[in-house]
Amino acid sequence: QVQLVQSGAEVKKPGASVKVSCKASGYTFTRYGISWVRQAPGQGLEWMGWISADTGNTNYAQNFQGRVTMTTDTSTTTAYMELRSLRSDDTAMYYCARDCSSWFCVDGHFDYWGQGTLVTVSS
Amino acid sequence: QSALTQPASVSGSPGQSLTISCTGTSSDVGSYDLVSWYQQHPGKAPRLMIYAVSTRPSGVSNRFSGSKSGNTASLTISVLQAEDEADYYCCSYAGHRTPVVFGGGTKLTVL
Repeated sequence: QVQLVQSGAEVKKPGASVKVSCKASGYTFTRYGISWVRQAPGQGLEWMGWISADTGNTNYAQNFQGRVTMTTDTSTTTAYMELRSLRSDDTAMYYCARDCSSWFCVDGHFDYWGQGTLVTVSS
Repeated sequence: QSALTQPASVSGSPGQSLTISCTGTSSDVGSYDLVSWYQQHPGKAPRLMIYAVSTRPSGVSNRFSGSKSGNTASLTISVLQAEDEADYYCCSYAGHRTPVVFGGGTKLTVL
């Protein structure tokens, strides 16, 4: 069965960076992409960006451009999301979700999700 | 502020039907038949309930249905059950530059 298993909770200080992993199994990793979505406490969902597991092509939401980097390691079928220059309002649950392999079919249709990684930014 | 507008809360009694609306613009909901709906129980990851406006993934109850008219998409839940109590989010394709936008979410309470 398809599974996305994320790394554990993180506590970071303002200005630091965090790197969250998302280990995929149960499907051919390179036939899909991964989108990252975050959810601040008590708030709604916010799409952060997408990466093709096949080509490594990325597209980041405007709000995160310059601060986020998404990568994949096909040898371990793992996707990563690194967010830099953390602020207190980056405190959120971060989710990875299976997405389309091509940028041209990314449309918000995420059929499998990771369990989430809580990132807390506090001094 | 979310790109798509949903009511903050809705409620209904078991056995009833209810509809959650999701209003966008001609740049997103109105232009593409690419609206998805997610259900999220407290402390859990979102679950895909509807995609491409009205398509149910395998395993989703046929009590859930989706539709769209103009700039507004809707999720209808028939024969409401206690287990349907959750937050619901709509999501739409919004063009090549920012392809994914979400609604602010609707808390469904089963009375």
